[in-house]
Amino acid sequence: AQSVTQPDIHITVSEGASLELRCNYSYGATPYLFWYVQSPGQGLQLLLKYFSGDTLVQGIKGFEAEFKRSQSSFNLRKPSVHWSDAAEYFCAVSSDNQGGKLIFGQGTELSVKP
Amino acid sequence: NAGVTQTPKFRILKIGQSMTLQCTQDMNHNYMYWYRQDPGMGLKLIYYSVGAGITDKGEVPNGYNVSRSTTEDFPLRLELAAPSQTSVYFCASSYETRYEQYFGPGTRLTVT
Repeated sequence: AQSVTQPDIHITVSEGASLELRCNYSYGATPYLFWYVQSPGQGLQLLLKYFSGDTLVQGIKGFEAEFKRSQSSFNLRKPSVHWSDAAEYFCAVSSDNQGGKLIFGQGTELSVKP
Repeated sequence: NAGVTQTPKFRILKIGQSMTLQCTQDMNHNYMYWYRQDPGMGLKLIYYSVGAGITDKGEVPNGYNVSRSTTEDFPLRLELAAPSQTSVYFCASSYETRYEQYFGPGTRLTVT
């Protein structure tokens, strides 16, 4: 069955520290991979996406993610976290043969210490 | 562009009542989706549509119905509300499968 796993439910980092959020997927077809961010009480905003090509993708707000097919992973990184990055982060996967349906991970809540 | 709009923002229903959650997009997107979000569970797909007149079930369709009479609108109907339907509901749209989905602000529904 297709699935997305975000192993970390909650992460706390200090402001200015680096960040890595993990995402692993199980998917039979060639996946399209996404990271979304959700601030409290808000909808979801796309941070970045991977469809094909360069496995290191750049997104908004200084985020990047690397697709590693051998590890079935798509981890999100940021070199220096800002207090405004505190939010919930969702990894998601879809493919052409699934009608564009997104399968989401459970989410990782990020807290930022001053 | 307003993007994806949802109404209402909040609603409290009694068990057995019915309601329709409205979703409209002004981006001329073919694909539209309804998700529900429960704490610690991520988002689950309820129904989706690949164009006007075409709808299909997602992962958790029981207790819900949809219609897609126009490209812009994709309402979600709850016929007999149950406490298990207490959730935050998000509507989303995309141009095609290879394009990102744009999400509305959500509707927070409580059934008591």
